Amino acid sequence: AQSVSQHNHHVILSEAASLELGCNYSYGGTVNLFWYVQYPGQHLQLLLKYFSGDPLVKGIKGFEAEFIKSKFSFNLRKPSVQWSDTAEYFCAVNRGDYKLSFGAGTTVTVRA
Amino acid sequence: EPEVTQTPSHQVTQMGQEVILRCVPISNHLYFYWYRQILGQKVEFLVSFYNNEISEKSEIFDDQFSVERPDGSNFTLKIRSTKLEDSAMYFCASSVDNNYGYTFGSGTRLTVV
Repeated sequence: AQSVSQHNHHVILSEAASLELGCNYSYGGTVNLFWYVQYPGQHLQLLLKYFSGDPLVKGIKGFEAEFIKSKFSFNLRKPSVQWSDTAEYFCAVNRGDYKLSFGAGTTVTVRA
Repeated sequence: EPEVTQTPSHQVTQMGQEVILRCVPISNHLYFYWYRQILGQKVEFLVSFYNNEISEKSEIFDDQFSVERPDGSNFTLKIRSTKLEDSAMYFCASSVDNNYGYTFGSGTRLTVV
């Protein structure tokens, strides 16, 4: 079945450590790719998106993601995390239709 | 920054009752959506709405569900006869076009008892 897969269910790391969250999708054709973040008790917020052009996209709060078409991947990275990055992170894919398909999410816990 | 507003933030209802979840999308957005997230599960698409009609719906969105844009600002989700398994966080979203990037509301937590 076509889907969005996030490899890690829960990631625990210390402040200043580097973060990389994996996301793979199984759709063929043109896709639009998103990463959303959900801080505890808050709504989904858009971190960054890729539609076309430079496959390395920069988002808010120091996050970036790289689209690798041959690997059907859109991994999220941050060189140095802070305690305030503790949240749940969702990868999502749009195929030019009317909906987003979400991955299961990765919970990131940053220890001070 | 423009926001999508959802009310109420939390609603408790008895099984079999009708509920209406309300959303005020961003004013210049043309596409509207409802998603839900059952506790511990992924965010799931329910329905999209454009030009006063449903443009796409998922298999979850059965005859018990309906959406409406009763005026120029509100976008509602109605569940006619709630079931225990309808308990979830319901998110409204809106966008300028259908793949630009959605703005989500803060959600309504629906608890069916």
